[in-house]
Amino acid sequence: DVKVTQSSRYLVKRTGEKVFLECVQDMDHENMFWYRQDPGLGLRLIYFSYDVKMKEKGDIPEGYSVSREKKERFSLILESASTNQTSMYLCASLRAGRDNEQFFGPGTRLTVL
Amino acid sequence: KQEVTQIPAALSVPEGENLVLNCSFTDSAIYNLQWFRQDPGKGLTSLLLIQSSQREQTSGRLNASLDKSSGRSTLYIAASQPGDSATYLCAVSGNTPLVFGKGTRLSVIA
Repeated sequence: DVKVTQSSRYLVKRTGEKVFLECVQDMDHENMFWYRQDPGLGLRLIYFSYDVKMKEKGDIPEGYSVSREKKERFSLILESASTNQTSMYLCASLRAGRDNEQFFGPGTRLTVL
Repeated sequence: KQEVTQIPAALSVPEGENLVLNCSFTDSAIYNLQWFRQDPGKGLTSLLLIQSSQREQTSGRLNASLDKSSGRSTLYIAASQPGDSATYLCAVSGNTPLVFGKGTRLSVIA
């Protein structure tokens, strides 16, 4: 079974802090994704990566950056956290190819005070 | 730009009922469609993936159909149980990352 893990289930940070969210997958998937999920807005794609050291902006990249130094790990960075970044953050991975399932991690509930 | 709509946004049914959740998408040029389940405060669990060349997929009490030409998919849940209570999301894959609907929140009442 594919396993996608995220470093924290719950995180509380202060405005202006630098925040790192880590995601690791164990199935050698090429593609990895970061989403945020907010009530009424659904899932919104922040960034994705289709290979090591590669990154692409999603729909809402402002205020975020990412890092993919190893194939299994994809990090989301909030350079200076703000209250409007309080959200549920979901990581996902996907094997390259047209007909593969996307798998999600358990999510990180981030609260910025 | 692909848009995915799920109707209804919420549904409440008595235990034992068969039910259908709907998903529609605007661009029929998709590779596949995936149904997910999400429990409150948790991540998404993949339920079924239907390739664009397929008409349906089944897993236990779940059956998902796909009509690519009309831009529609349905998720049929047979003999619903309280444990089926969750939010169900559909997502379509094309030459861009998955595009998600906002989900249908299902409550199955014992």
